[in-house]
Amino acid sequence: EDQVTQSPEALRLQEGESSSLNCSYTVSGLRGLFWYRQDPGKGPEFLFTLYSAGEEKEKERLKATLTKKESFLHITAPKPEDSATYLCAVQAAGTYKYIFGTGTRLKVLA
Amino acid sequence: DVKVTQSSRYLVKRTGEKVFLECVQDMDHENMFWYRQDPGLGLRLIYFSYDVKMKEKGDIPEGYSVSREKKERFSLILESASTNQTSMYLCASSLLGGELFFGEGSRLTVL
Repeated sequence: EDQVTQSPEALRLQEGESSSLNCSYTVSGLRGLFWYRQDPGKGPEFLFTLYSAGEEKEKERLKATLTKKESFLHITAPKPEDSATYLCAVQAAGTYKYIFGTGTRLKVLA
Repeated sequence: DVKVTQSSRYLVKRTGEKVFLECVQDMDHENMFWYRQDPGLGLRLIYFSYDVKMKEKGDIPEGYSVSREKKERFSLILESASTNQTSMYLCASSLLGGELFFGEGSRLTVL
């Protein structure tokens, strides 16, 4: 069964304290892995798509990487405005469906 | 700028009422989706549509129906709302294999 597991569930960082969020997945043929940011009471906002193992994407303080079993979202020198829930999703080849993890709630303290 | 617009941000309804949630996208995407999001359960797919008048059940379709009469519009219908349908409802659209673009969400409370 296709599945996505994110860890940790919650993470508190001091401003400037770098860390990584994990997304482990099992899927029968990966079409794409997606990272989203969600602020309270709002819809998820797209961050990155990764398609194959070894691929990396960067945007400001965020960097996403992909292996055959997991993806990491690295946050370098985070700021309080990076506080949000980060969601990971996968889409299997040959399907329209996206499978989401339950997210990591990140809090960055000033 | 790409946009998915949901008709209502907040709704309060009574048990047994019929509820319509509407979603419009301006990106000419083939695929549209309705999810519900509950604490600890993540996003769960209710229905999706890959073309006009085409629909497929997601993981939790019971108690819901959908309508897609035009490419840009995808409606979610609760025929008889129940308290366990209190949730945040999220509409999204995508091209095949592409990222999902989400609306701002509709928070429904059923009393």
